[in-house]
Formats: sequence, C-alpha cells, structure tokens
Amino acid sequence: KAGVTQTPRYLIKTRGQQVTLSCSPISGHRSVSWYQQTPGQGLQFLFEYFSETQRNKGNFPGRFSGRQFSNSRSEMNVSTLELGDSALYLCASSSSLTSGSYYEQYFGPGTRLTVT
Amino acid sequence: KNQVEQSPQSLIILEGKNCTLQCNYTVSPFSNLRWYKQDTGRGPVSLTIMTFSENTKSNGRYTATLDADTKQSSLHITASQLSDSASYICVVSPRSSGGSYIPTFGRGTSLIVHP
Repeated sequence: KAGVTQTPRYLIKTRGQQVTLSCSPISGHRSVSWYQQTPGQGLQFLFEYFSETQRNKGNFPGRFSGRQFSNSRSEMNVSTLELGDSALYLCASSSSLTSGSYYEQYFGPGTRLTVT
Repeated sequence: KNQVEQSPQSLIILEGKNCTLQCNYTVSPFSNLRWYKQDTGRGPVSLTIMTFSENTKSNGRYTATLDADTKQSSLHITASQLSDSASYICVVSPRSSGGSYIPTFGRGTSLIVHP
C-alpha cells in the first residue's frame, strides 16, 4: 500500500504571495490532518478534514485554509505569506472515524516552504 | 492551557546502551498519548499509542509507560542502535467532547547514538 504523498516537496515563495500544498492520503483513509513544524514552535496542529468536511481546526489565522476532495486528497492554502510561515508542512492520514481517537496516523514526508 | 513538556531536550548515548525519555503533560480530559520518532527531513513515525487506561505499551525495543494520575509518560529504548538517532516527540490528545479537538505536541528530545 502506498504511503502518504505530499507535493511539492520543496517550495520557495515571496512575502505576500499565496501557496497551495497537496496531500494524497493512504488509500481508504478518509481523515487528513495538516501540521506546521518550525524550529521555534515545534509541531502544531492546523486542521483536520474528514469526508470533505473540516471537523477540527487549530489556532492559526484565517490565512491558512484547506479543503478535501471526494477522493480524500487534500489541499492546504496559505494566503498573503509572511516570513514566519517558513516551515515544514506535514499531512497525516488515518482510518479514524472520530477526532482524537485511537487510530494510527501516518505522516507524509512534508513540504518544506521557504518564504523570502 | 494544555501543555506537554519533554526532557531532556537532547541526549547522547553510546550504541548498545539503554535510555529513557520523559514526557509530562497537563492536557485534560485526556484521550490518548502517542510517541513518534522523526528522522531528520522526514515525517514522524508512530511508535506507540496509549489510552488513559493503559500503563505500558511496547514496540520492539521501544517501551512506553503512562501514569495518568501524575500525568507522566516515559519512552524507554533498549540496546540502542545507530538508527535510533532521531527526534522523539510526545503528543497528547484531549478527549473529544463534540467541540474543538487540538492535539498538543511536545518539543521533542533529540537523541544521538554514537558508535
């Protein structure tokens, strides 16, 4: 079974631009979560999607948004990029049916975003 | 405020030795606690998941313990190998009550295993 894939793997953007990151979950997984990882803050939860609906959201500004398609693939968008948005963005998929449950989460390799 | 504190921040050990990493949390109500291993430049990989009713969980040379009363967990690595060099992250999830659910991550312990 193929793992979680994320594209692109590396991205360089300029302040003020917007960016869209993509995540393809493991086949059969309907839950996709997004995380931001920085040296200063560590890993932080952005949001979770299940069956095309956002069912949980972390404490990030509205510039961070996402969506999920009917095939469970998910995209994350960051508008009006700031220098502080430079980070590794990770997505994880799960067969979980409820948030915060006991199901295993499988992470992708991440997208390294650099904002200059 | 929910918090997860990990110690030590970094650790250097010799190959073959054992080590123990600590995780203290204030998340309440508590649903589950996970330990992840993250190699440099890669996504985290799950090692163990424990609910509040479990005291210990093993995965090969990795053994996690949980004391829900004191809100402490530890990850014990036995007979360390060079490939154990990584960051180990503790994540605590609140019990979902129909409202917002946000897992809280520790800052991780960076483990270096020397030959």
